[in-house]
Amino acid sequence: GNSVTQMEGPVTLSEEAFLTINCTYTATGYPSLFWYVQYPGEGLQLLLKATKADDKGSNKGFEATYRKETTSFHLEKGSVQVSDSAVYFCALKGDSWGKLQFGAGTQVVVTP
Amino acid sequence: DGGITQSPKYLFRKEGQNVTLSCEQNLNHDAMYWYRQDPGQGLRLIYYSQIVNDFQKGDIAEGYSVSREKKESFPLTVTSAQKNPTAFYLCASSLGQLFGSAKNIQYFGAGTRLSVL
Repeated sequence: GNSVTQMEGPVTLSEEAFLTINCTYTATGYPSLFWYVQYPGEGLQLLLKATKADDKGSNKGFEATYRKETTSFHLEKGSVQVSDSAVYFCALKGDSWGKLQFGAGTQVVVTP
Repeated sequence: DGGITQSPKYLFRKEGQNVTLSCEQNLNHDAMYWYRQDPGQGLRLIYYSQIVNDFQKGDIAEGYSVSREKKESFPLTVTSAQKNPTAFYLCASSLGQLFGSAKNIQYFGAGTRLSVL
């Protein structure tokens, strides 16, 4: 079946540092890939998405490229801020219309 | 404002009690979902509904029940059979199967935190 593996946290960074969160997946067919962000005590918000190989999703300075050859969708941001402190979830949607498979989440802590 | 409203924000359950979590959306979405989130873990699908009056079990449906009598509402009941109900519960919705995979992005509510007294 489909599965998503992302790096364990917490990841602790200083403000303006470079952030990478690794995400790899296992799926049949041609899945769509997503990054969601969860701020403390809140629900999930869609951060970015990519629906086919070599697509790059981007939003709020975050980027991720759909790499089918390495089955990866790593999240990057060049200069993080304290307000980026949150839990980040990588997710996959297979050929079916709606069901999502989530990774375990990676907590990111950015210190001033 | 369009969105998904979950209530209450916090809920406490006594031993042997059933409790119901509310989820309402005004996005005109056909599909709705319930997830459970435990500390340090990803989200696990409890139930989902593709259309009114229809729903399917997800990966961890035991001890839970749902109904979908109206398009905008998808309440989740945590029954006394669920022996470990303490978790953060998230409701989501998406356009639905008629709109194709690329457009079926899930949008989430703010969640309900359930604890056992």
